[in-house]
Amino acid sequence: ELKVEQNPLFLSMQEGKNYTIYCNYSTTSDRLYWYRQDPGKSLESLFVLLSNGAVKQEGRLMASLDTKARLSTLHITAAVHDLSATYFCAVDMIHAGNNRKLIWGLGTSLAVNP
Amino acid sequence: DGGITQSPKYLFRKEGQNVTLSCEQNLNHDAMYWYRQDPGQGLRLIYYSQIVNDFQKGDIAEGYSVSREKKESFPLTVTSAQKNPTAFYLCASSIGLRMGRYGYTFGSGTRLTVV
Repeated sequence: ELKVEQNPLFLSMQEGKNYTIYCNYSTTSDRLYWYRQDPGKSLESLFVLLSNGAVKQEGRLMASLDTKARLSTLHITAAVHDLSATYFCAVDMIHAGNNRKLIWGLGTSLAVNP
Repeated sequence: DGGITQSPKYLFRKEGQNVTLSCEQNLNHDAMYWYRQDPGQGLRLIYYSQIVNDFQKGDIAEGYSVSREKKESFPLTVTSAQKNPTAFYLCASSIGLRMGRYGYTFGSGTRLTVV
């Protein structure tokens, strides 16, 4: 089964703290995408990870990809209120031979409190 | 600036009525997609199109129809056969079906409510 699991699904954290969101997926992939969504708004691309060991950073967010473990992490450093949003990972999975399909996680709803 | 424009932002549908959601892009992208988003269920693919005059069903195509007469446009019709259409609808595009290093660009979404 093609599956992407994010955890936690809900995260409440204090400003200034660090935390990691995890994205596990069920089958072979070398392409993983992180998106941010603010309430009632569209999705904004954060990171595109295209190879094993890829690490990308933008401000207080850092994403990494381990294709062997089928795991990506989104690390938040010294959280600020502006990071409050829902974060989605999406995995471009190979299945049934050479077919590819984009599978989305359910999203992690992050609330950063003063 | 290039981007995707969805309209309307809010749409109200009466029972038994068909409604059409507009999606236009000026990014010169070949592939376009329609997703439905419900609370707690993430994004689910309705239809996608790789080239003009060709489109494929996604995971939840029943009760929906699309057309791709122009590269820039990919309208979605929610038909009366869709029994639970209230949701947030997102249109996206990518350079090709293999999204590669750029991923998707999303429109701002249409919130559809049945009244």
